[in-house]
Amino acid sequence: AQSVTQPDIHITVSEGASLELRCNYSYGATPYLFWYVQSPGQGLQLLLKYFSGDTLVQGIKGFEAEFKRSQSSFNLRKPSVHWSDAAEYFCAVGNTGNQFYFGTGTSLTVIP
Amino acid sequence: GAVVSQHPSWVICKSGTSVKIECRSLDFQATTMFWYRQFPKQSLMLMATSNEGSKATYEQGVEKDKFLINHASLTLSTLTVTSAHPEDSSFYICSAGDRSKMTQYFGPGTRLLVL
Repeated sequence: AQSVTQPDIHITVSEGASLELRCNYSYGATPYLFWYVQSPGQGLQLLLKYFSGDTLVQGIKGFEAEFKRSQSSFNLRKPSVHWSDAAEYFCAVGNTGNQFYFGTGTSLTVIP
Repeated sequence: GAVVSQHPSWVICKSGTSVKIECRSLDFQATTMFWYRQFPKQSLMLMATSNEGSKATYEQGVEKDKFLINHASLTLSTLTVTSAHPEDSSFYICSAGDRSKMTQYFGPGTRLLVL
């Protein structure tokens, strides 16, 4: 069965600082991996996804993620955080049936 | 990406009544749609996979007689919460699946409050 773990429930960073959100997955085959962001009262917005190929994936809003098979990880990074990045971030793994399973999310607070 | 709408965006109902939530894929024909439930400060939990023209597939622990799903067309799926109770209060999110791109397009969600 597939599952996703996001070890950090809440992270606080200063504006302009770098960010890394952790995601570990469990899936028997080659995973389809996603990062979504959810702002208060908003729907989910896709930041980036990994299917195959280059293990460093670039997304929107300056985000990137690196797939590391040996560590079963797909961590999200951003070199310089903006106040507007404050939101809830979800990592998800998809199976061949296109069903998604989400992690518990990481809440990001950005302090000025 | 495709646009997915949900209606209503929020609903308050009395305990014991049934509530229907609509999920429409506005510019994309979705053979598969998904329904999720999200409790406050928690993750999205996949409830069921809805295939157009066939019965929905429910995840373990989700009561199919409680949460009725109908996917009558390629652009519309409905979730009916039957005999709703306060514990059914939650945020319900649907998505339209694009299997060719292995992605899903999410609706804005429907907040249900059962009194």
